[in-house]
Order: sequence, then structure tokens, then C-alpha cells
Amino acid sequence: SQQGEEDPQALSIQEGENATMNCSYKTSINNLQWYRQNSGRGLVHLILIRSNEREKHSGRLRVTLDTSKKSSSLLITASRAADTASYFCATVRGSNYKLTFGKGTLLTVNP
Amino acid sequence: GAVVSQHPSWVICKSGTSVKIECRSLDFQATTMFWYRQFPKQSLMLMATSNEGSKATYEQGVEKDKFLINHASLTLSTLTVTSAHPEDSSFYICSARATGENIQYFGAGTRLSVL
Repeated sequence: SQQGEEDPQALSIQEGENATMNCSYKTSINNLQWYRQNSGRGLVHLILIRSNEREKHSGRLRVTLDTSKKSSSLLITASRAADTASYFCATVRGSNYKLTFGKGTLLTVNP
Repeated sequence: GAVVSQHPSWVICKSGTSVKIECRSLDFQATTMFWYRQFPKQSLMLMATSNEGSKATYEQGVEKDKFLINHASLTLSTLTVTSAHPEDSSFYICSARATGENIQYFGAGTRLSVL
């Protein structure tokens, strides 16, 4: 079942701007991960944040996690046209490694 | 990074036929492989989890006799859609997890169209 809800569902920005996507979930988690999917392709793992972490950085990506609000955000700084894709958050509960995906945010970066 | 190869990338078949999709981890041993289904502009729905050498664990609502999963080795899992019907048309994606890792590596997906 779907646990995560991303917002916005779609986001359109200009190159160079920052893009922020949010994700909310309903149950306790072991970790939360963000994935990217180009149209008609598989997913690429971007970043993982554990339940005891609050913020994590990877290149132009910044992820925050607020377990009290059961929410996470993904910030992409200085966006590029190549960042155009769908972005999904996914949560892991327990130790079974199963991912429960949110509905995703379609990001369009206009050149 | 780890590579997962999924074949075929696109298949068209007649209603009533069976289709096999392969998922291979090319440069690592996949302790666990996962199969997902994705409808247009929607998220991924986990269908089943397969561990090498054991029976797959199916999610609620997924027919195990309809979607046969075999994980015969640490680098190969197959999904067979049996007696496919138009409603089975979808994008199927596999992923693999290496021992000791928390992340999944995804194949490029298979678009199945049943006529």
C-alpha cells in the first residue's frame, strides 16, 4: 500500500532555481530514501536518510527528515534541465528492506 | 555503481500467452530481488519479494499463480506473466539488493502490452 505522499505532484521551474519536494508518511520507519525516475525508465537511488538523522547532503541534493511530523524534503539546488524527472520518496519499515513508494513529484526544469 | 539488467525492455503479446521477464544483477550478488508494477503517471506498487533459493513472498492482492517468480541464482530472477490479458498491460520493474545494503538497484523496466 502507498504510504508516502509527495507534494507538489508537479513542479515546473527555470534552470538555476532551487526545487523543493516534500514527502509525508504514516508509520514509523527505519529509513527514508529518495529515488529519481526518468520517463519510461527504471529508478536511480539518490540518497538515504536514517530515522535518527535529521539532514543529509549529497552534491546539489539536501534531504531533511522530521520524524515527529513524519515528513521529509528533498532540495535540489541550482537545478539543470537534466534534472527533469519524477522524484519518489520511499520508506523502509523494519528489517525486510521493502520499499513503500510515495506518489512522486514530476519536476520539469526549463532551460 | 551496481548494474541491474532487465529484459526485454518492451514486449507485445497476444491475449492468453505467457511472457517471461528477466532481471539480472551484473556485478553483484543479489540477496533479494523485488518486482514492481507501475501504471502510467503513478507510483510503483510492490508485487513480490524473492530471495535466492526460496519461494517468493507476494503482496496482498497479487495472484501468485498469475505472476510466477523464480529466483534461481544470486544474479537472476524471472517474472512470468501467465495467460496474459489486456489488463496486465503495464510497466514492470525489478530491483535487486546486495547483502548488507539498504538500497535497491533498479532495472530499466519492461513495458508489456497485451493485445
